[in-house]
Amino acid sequence: DVKVTQSSRYLVKRTGEKVFLECVQDMDHENMFWYRQDPGLGLRLIYFSYDVKMKEKGDIPEGYSVSREKKERFSLILESASTNQTSMYLCASSLWVPYEQYFGPGTRLTVT
Amino acid sequence: QKEVEQNSGPLSVPEGAIASLNCTYSDRGSQSFFWYRQYSGKSPELIMFIYSNGDKEDGRFTAQLNKASQYVSLLIRDSQPSDSATYLCAVHQSGGTSYGKLTFGQGTILTVHP
Repeated sequence: DVKVTQSSRYLVKRTGEKVFLECVQDMDHENMFWYRQDPGLGLRLIYFSYDVKMKEKGDIPEGYSVSREKKERFSLILESASTNQTSMYLCASSLWVPYEQYFGPGTRLTVT
Repeated sequence: QKEVEQNSGPLSVPEGAIASLNCTYSDRGSQSFFWYRQYSGKSPELIMFIYSNGDKEDGRFTAQLNKASQYVSLLIRDSQPSDSATYLCAVHQSGGTSYGKLTFGQGTILTVHP
């Protein structure tokens, strides 16, 4: 079974802090994605990566950056957290595109 | 206009009935279509995908695609209380900077009552 894990289920940070969200997949998938999910807005793509050290902007990249140094790991970075970044963050991976995306359990981030 | 639009619901159906979930999309070049199910507090999981016009059946689930009308639907036959969840429609747009990107609708909440 594909397994996508995220470093934290719940995270509380203060405004202005630098925040790292980690995602690891164990199925040698080429493609990895970061989404945020907000009520009434659905899933919105922040960034995705189709190879090591490659990244593409999604629909809402502002205020975020990513890092993919190893194939299995994709990190989302909030350079200076703001309250409007309070959300559920979901990581996903897929073998190729377009194809099934497997999601991690999510990180609920609260910025106070 | 949203790129992928779903009725947010909630949609409530009695046990044993057919639940019909609808999704429209704006990009005529879209090639692939996915239905995900998300239980409360859980992450989405894929239940169906469809690439060609027409119907695709998998057990109690049928996906229907009409590219001319830019419309995709999911039918759930013999609905069960365990089908109560949020259903997300996702569309893959091919080419250019959209390659590899899935665009999700906002989801439809389905409740199946005994």
